[in-house]
Amino acid sequence: AQSVTQLDSQVPVFEEAPVELRCNYSSSVSVYLFWYVQYPNQGLQLLLKYLSGSTLVKGINGFEAEFNKSQTSFHLRKPSVHISDTAEYFCAVRARSDSGQNQAGTALIFGKGTTLSVSS
Amino acid sequence: NAGVTQTPKFRVLKTGQSMTLLCAQDMNHEYMYWYRQDPGMGLRLIHYSVGEGTTAKGEVPDGYNVSRLKKQNFLLGLESAAPSQTSVYFCASSYGRGTNTGELFFGEGSRLTVL
Repeated sequence: AQSVTQLDSQVPVFEEAPVELRCNYSSSVSVYLFWYVQYPNQGLQLLLKYLSGSTLVKGINGFEAEFNKSQTSFHLRKPSVHISDTAEYFCAVRARSDSGQNQAGTALIFGKGTTLSVSS
Repeated sequence: NAGVTQTPKFRVLKTGQSMTLLCAQDMNHEYMYWYRQDPGMGLRLIHYSVGEGTTAKGEVPDGYNVSRLKKQNFLLGLESAAPSQTSVYFCASSYGRGTNTGELFFGEGSRLTVL
């Protein structure tokens, strides 16, 4: 089974400051990793994903994340945030389809979310 | 492009009433899921389906039933609603095994209040 821990429930920052949202995961098999964003009163939108290959992945809206297998982390970063980045961010993990895990492991497991509040 | 569509978007129920949430996807996805979102809890998986006619329990299945009679539809039922089921419900879908990149596509959510 997989699990995800988002280390900060709320992150307040000023506009144009850098930000890092932290995510650690636990799994006995190889995984895919994701960050989703949820703007107020909306559904979830994919920001970026790590499937394989380069450990630094770039997503939409200037966000990037780095997969660190030894630290079992997948932290999300942005060098300069905007007011419009205010939203809730979810880290998620899923067993790889070739991991040998049965189909019960195909669901996406989410962290509890981090609320990013950007102020001027 | 419709993607994943949930109906209704809002509903208020009294304790003990029943209702069904409908999820429809037009992407020919094999897998479909129902999650609930509660403050401070993130998204928790209720039930999921890996194909037409098959369903399975997720993390928090009690009090819910599901059916996947058609590939494009995934229904979530509450037989006897309880205040603890007040939540925002999200349906999602994804490609199946073999073409599975892992990404889920979400609907816009259905806000349910049980009084």
